[in-house]
Amino acid sequence: LAKTTQPISMDSYEGQEVNITCSHNNIATNDYITWYQQFPSQGPRFIIQGYKTKVTNEVASLFIPADRKSSTLSLPRVSLSDTAVYYCLFKRGNRDDKIIFGKGTRLHILP
Amino acid sequence: SAVISQKPSRDICQRGTSLTIQCQVDSQVTMMFWYRQQPGQSLTLIATANQGSEATYESGFVIDKFPISRPNLTFSTLTVSNMSPEDSSIYLCSVIQGAGGELFFGEGSRLTVL
Repeated sequence: LAKTTQPISMDSYEGQEVNITCSHNNIATNDYITWYQQFPSQGPRFIIQGYKTKVTNEVASLFIPADRKSSTLSLPRVSLSDTAVYYCLFKRGNRDDKIIFGKGTRLHILP
Repeated sequence: SAVISQKPSRDICQRGTSLTIQCQVDSQVTMMFWYRQQPGQSLTLIATANQGSEATYESGFVIDKFPISRPNLTFSTLTVSNMSPEDSSIYLCSVIQGAGGELFFGEGSRLTVL
């Protein structure tokens, strides 16, 4: 599976929009880009997934440029409760396949 | 979404002993995954538990240390054998479900080895 690179940590303030960028130069044609969120003492939970262009749900937006070598998770108007670790991952096509976690980005929201 | 229950939620164990963690899912799933998360670290995949066949282990993990059972499509166990303090971690069970192939996790089992 292709490797992802994302910032180790980020700080932001309540009410701001937060963008976390993930680099994945060797993404395969059938890889989907998936983001997970993990709060302390909990397992990760799915946020959003996309293949190309833009995907939006009630929690976040995911921007993927045409070359798919990077992706950006956008969290609108963050609150203190958005403090968590965010993981950029790959999902291999439509197969139920193993998922490997990278180091993630530790996002700290300040009041 | 899948509901996953793990037991025990936490335990304190003595060096050299073994502990079995149970994972129960509320629906049938083809593949179950066991991850380990050491303090302050990301998740590391230990193995994929397949029903009716042996588990598939990732590099650095062996069956003698982490034997896995998968007797049916809703249940799996992970045993941490001959524990040492380095095995102190959170162990997480997960499954893939849904049209988008989302990973769902149990609440984790926090092991402390003295």
